[in-house]
Amino acid sequence: DAGVIQSPRHEVTEMGQEVTLRCKPISGHNSLFWYRQTMMRGLELLIYFNNNVPIDDSGMPEDRFSAKMPNASFSTLKIQPSEPRDSAVYFCASSPLGSNQPQHFGDGTRLSIL
Amino acid sequence: KQEVTQIPAALSVPEGENLVLNCSFTDSAIYNLQWFRQDPGKGLTSLLLIQSSQREQTSGRLNASLDKSSGRSTLYIAASQPGDSATYLCAPSDTGNQFYFGTGTSLTVIP
Repeated sequence: DAGVIQSPRHEVTEMGQEVTLRCKPISGHNSLFWYRQTMMRGLELLIYFNNNVPIDDSGMPEDRFSAKMPNASFSTLKIQPSEPRDSAVYFCASSPLGSNQPQHFGDGTRLSIL
Repeated sequence: KQEVTQIPAALSVPEGENLVLNCSFTDSAIYNLQWFRQDPGKGLTSLLLIQSSQREQTSGRLNASLDKSSGRSTLYIAASQPGDSATYLCAPSDTGNQFYFGTGTSLTVIP
């Protein structure tokens, strides 16, 4: 079975550029989560969706960050304009809808902003 | 906000030893708690999920316990193997969906 698929795996870009990270959740999973992992702050939840609807975006650091889920099989996390402090590994995870469901993570996108 | 602490930050043991990883959290009003492992360059793999009404969960050589009132969870690994080498993260949730992660324990099992 295909797991959560993220692209690209690595992204290196210059400060000020727009960055778009992509995620395909596991088929049948109706909850999708975006996380950011850094050495300083560990793993932080940015936003999550249930049935394609954003439920809590309180973890999104600034207005430069936006996330969409146009359908059940695709989500994007966009940073515009990007800054060096956005450098991190960004993970997408999905789970079946409801509580007490284990989350399944993708392998992440390692983002470096120069 | 939930604060999660994992001790020790790093652990190195010879193969075959039993070991315990500790997790403490500040807000005991949790819905459930997950233990994950993370391999270098990879995402997280869910190992065990304990509901707030449960005291422990077992999967193979892994046993996770939960003491909600004291804000503690432990992950016990029996007969450790080199393949167990990874970072282990504890993540309580107050809603069942939003998880708060500790900084993890980096485990090395020496053959």
